Amino acid sequence: DVQLQESGPGLVKPSQTVSLTCTVTGISITTGNYRWSWIRQFPGNKLEWIGYIYYSGTITYNPSLTSRTTITRDTSKNQFFLEMNSLTAEDTATYYCARDSIYYGLDYWGQGTTLTVSS
Amino acid sequence: QIVLTQSPAIMSASPGEKVTITCSASSSVSYMHWFQQKPGTSPKLWIYSTSNLASGVPARFSGSGSGTSYSLTISRMEAEDAATYYCQQRSSYPHMYTFGGGTKLEIK
Repeated sequence: DVQLQESGPGLVKPSQTVSLTCTVTGISITTGNYRWSWIRQFPGNKLEWIGYIYYSGTITYNPSLTSRTTITRDTSKNQFFLEMNSLTAEDTATYYCARDSIYYGLDYWGQGTTLTVSS
Repeated sequence: QIVLTQSPAIMSASPGEKVTITCSASSSVSYMHWFQQKPGTSPKLWIYSTSNLASGVPARFSGSGSGTSYSLTISRMEAEDAATYYCQQRSSYPHMYTFGGGTKLEIK
């Protein structure tokens, strides 16, 4: 069974950089025809797509976040990562990782990790 | 960037009532996905590629639409259908995903 699990520090200070991890089980992140996405949900429930890393390693970012976002992966650990810098309170959200099938869309999601940006 | 506008933002329905949620795109799109989210849980894929039910979704749900107008319909509302529903699409230029603002559906 495919499962995704996010992990992160929970609380960071403004202007800092955060790194979040998504650990995937049940499928290799190098399996063809899948993208591996990061999505966040703000308080108030608005959803925003951050970006994805394709099974081949190609990366695409939300144009509004590309200047301070980096997505990478470690195929040996079957993990992918989100790094975001210059954090402000407006980045406070629940961050999800999700599998994105080219046929079905965002079909598996992690349970989410809450990130609070506060001094 | 394509903007998705859902209506209504909040609604309530009685058991057995027919429910329709709409999603309007600012430009024509090829398909729409829909997600269901209940409090404290992550969104679940509910309908993909406009009209296909995800695994385990009851047959009382259906999706339709084309161009700039899409909808999710529940033929007969049940208590377990109370949730927030989001539409989502992928645009080519710029390449990105966008979500609608959500429709909170409550049971009367």
